[in-house]
Amino acid sequence: GEDVEQSLFLSVREGDSSVINCTYTDSSSTYLYWYKQEPGAGLQLLTYIFSNMDMKQDQRLTVLLNKKDKHLSLRIADTQTGDSAIYFCAEKYSSASKIIFGSGTRLSIRP
Amino acid sequence: SQTIHQWPATLVQPVGSPLSLECTVEGTSNPNLYWYRQAAGRGLQLLFYSVGIGQISSEVPQNLSASRPQDRQFILSSKKLLLSDSGFYLCAWSVGDHGYTFGSGTRLTVV
Repeated sequence: GEDVEQSLFLSVREGDSSVINCTYTDSSSTYLYWYKQEPGAGLQLLTYIFSNMDMKQDQRLTVLLNKKDKHLSLRIADTQTGDSAIYFCAEKYSSASKIIFGSGTRLSIRP
Repeated sequence: SQTIHQWPATLVQPVGSPLSLECTVEGTSNPNLYWYRQAAGRGLQLLFYSVGIGQISSEVPQNLSASRPQDRQFILSSKKLLLSDSGFYLCAWSVGDHGYTFGSGTRLTVV
């Protein structure tokens, strides 16, 4: 079945690294995505990873994919106040025209 | 460049009134188009998606309908709004597997 799960909240200190985790159920997933939503706004695609990759790095963002465990994570280095947002994990599997989203993780930054 | 327009940004409608939300895409051809609803700033619920003109797939039976009269136009409608239709409505498009591009959303309050 289609299911993507994330923890609801994460609080980190400014300057520390944030790690947001996600698990999915469909082993035929082809692409996995991370989106960011700031208050009152639409979703912004941060990064994506193809299922035959283990890791992808883009500036402060690192995506790790463990396909065996169906686990995806997003690491944000040197977390800043502007990183406060809801982060959505999403997957696309090969037979579908749609992406399945997790329920989102609200990241809050404390000084 | 590719852009997506969604309007209005906010809408307050009485119960039982009709609804029409419009989404248009520029700079791309034959996109997949999607309508999502987000309740209380959290998870995304896929309402409808379309892979071509006149082709609509409904994900959740409800009080809403969608139409795609032109390649780059996607309309969400209701004949009679319910209180439970309140939420944040997001339109998105995709071409290929590189994720969705979302509009800025419409916040609908049914009173």
